[in-house]
Amino acid sequence: TQLLEQSPQFLSIQEGENLTVYCNSSSVFSSLQWYRQEPGEGPVLLVTVVTGGEVKKLKRLTFQFGDARKDSSLHITAAQPGDTGLYLCAGRRGGSNYKLTFGKGTLLTVNP
Amino acid sequence: DAGVTQSPTHLIKTRGQQVTLRCSPKSGHDTVSWYQQALGQGPQFIFQYYEEEERQRGNFPDRFSGHQFPNYSSELNVNALLLGDSALYLCASSSWVTYGYTFGSGTRLTVV
Repeated sequence: TQLLEQSPQFLSIQEGENLTVYCNSSSVFSSLQWYRQEPGEGPVLLVTVVTGGEVKKLKRLTFQFGDARKDSSLHITAAQPGDTGLYLCAGRRGGSNYKLTFGKGTLLTVNP
Repeated sequence: DAGVTQSPTHLIKTRGQQVTLRCSPKSGHDTVSWYQQALGQGPQFIFQYYEEEERQRGNFPDRFSGHQFPNYSSELNVNALLLGDSALYLCASSSWVTYGYTFGSGTRLTVV
């Protein structure tokens, strides 16, 4: 059972376009993280959100945690070829549950 | 400041063999988690070690075992390898003060 559903799975856009990636679940998470992974490398943490409704910005990237802490979104403004990669969302249930549950990822390609 | 170091980077094994993967956590981190990432999938939680004990385990068979040493480094052992064990094995370290995890670049295991 995939607890975190990411959409779209694949996204190919032109440089300068905007895009949004979604991460949805029927479960509540105490925190949700977004990672970016490049081929042959491990995921690199972009942001952690912990409060329902929280919005965090990282340069051209905007992350939002849903009010009910079941979903999240990643919005990229004016995408650049350097944004190309696999974007993964990962949730932690909290308490004594330490594991991260990952979505399958969104593979983003930004064409120059 | 070195991040998470994993060795080896690549490994080819035959079905039925045993393998040991190694991980050195980021300086200041005391917790190590192992994940398996199959092609086209998000990472799947194998287990987490803290204070040299397995603190939590995911849905992996007993063929997967691990160890954490007093210096916080860790090993992942897989016995009786199956073709389906072919994947990227990721080590992630963290500490109680961090929400996010620092991942290594992984070990690419191919079972033939």
